[in-house]
Amino acid sequence: DSGVTQTPKHLITATGQRVTLRCSPRSGDLSVYWYQQSLDQGLQFLIQYYNGEERAKGNILERFSAQQFPDLHSELNLSSLELGDSALYFCASSSKGSARETQYFGPGTRLLVL
Amino acid sequence: GQQLNQSPQSMFIQEGEDVSMNCTSSSIFNTWLWYKQDPGEGPVLLIALYKAGELTSNGRLTAQFGITRKDSFLNISASIPSDVGIYFCAGLSGGSNYKLTFGKGTLLTVNP
Repeated sequence: DSGVTQTPKHLITATGQRVTLRCSPRSGDLSVYWYQQSLDQGLQFLIQYYNGEERAKGNILERFSAQQFPDLHSELNLSSLELGDSALYFCASSSKGSARETQYFGPGTRLLVL
Repeated sequence: GQQLNQSPQSMFIQEGEDVSMNCTSSSIFNTWLWYKQDPGEGPVLLIALYKAGELTSNGRLTAQFGITRKDSFLNISASIPSDVGIYFCAGLSGGSNYKLTFGKGTLLTVNP
């Protein structure tokens, strides 16, 4: 158990819909990262937040957005969903968000878009 | 964007055998990381490498950061059934912009 929690574990929705994935980092960690894992693209970094502020951006679509709240939990919002958005979405956290820190991954949210 | 080529894609070995997998890139990385992912779980960091030429061990696992900074390998010695999983390499190109680039993974199956 990494100490990172993600909800929901599974999500099934239809194309065009919007969903919100939630992540709670390990106690004391200030930085949260979001990743997408799919069969064709593998694991891809989406976005990083540190203490409520966006710090780094990866291959995140404009239809996707994220935020980190004052209590440090984070949400990833996916809108106008397409079939290709079906994937595992992981959240990870680290203490201060620096490059040399270990990131601890949550168990993921499996999204299926029908 | 940056891409990591990880090989092999999959391996089927007998318990007790040694395993080797590697990642190569056309770009230079300042950090190489190796992760393992079990079914239904998120990736777990196994080894982190921060300097070209660095050789680091973690139990039966040994990884090296290539001298050119464009490659890394992971060796597992005397494999056991619980080594089964997907192993990912990841590279970080440095700077303050934290963007991990992952390989596609190596699926390891160990036959007891």
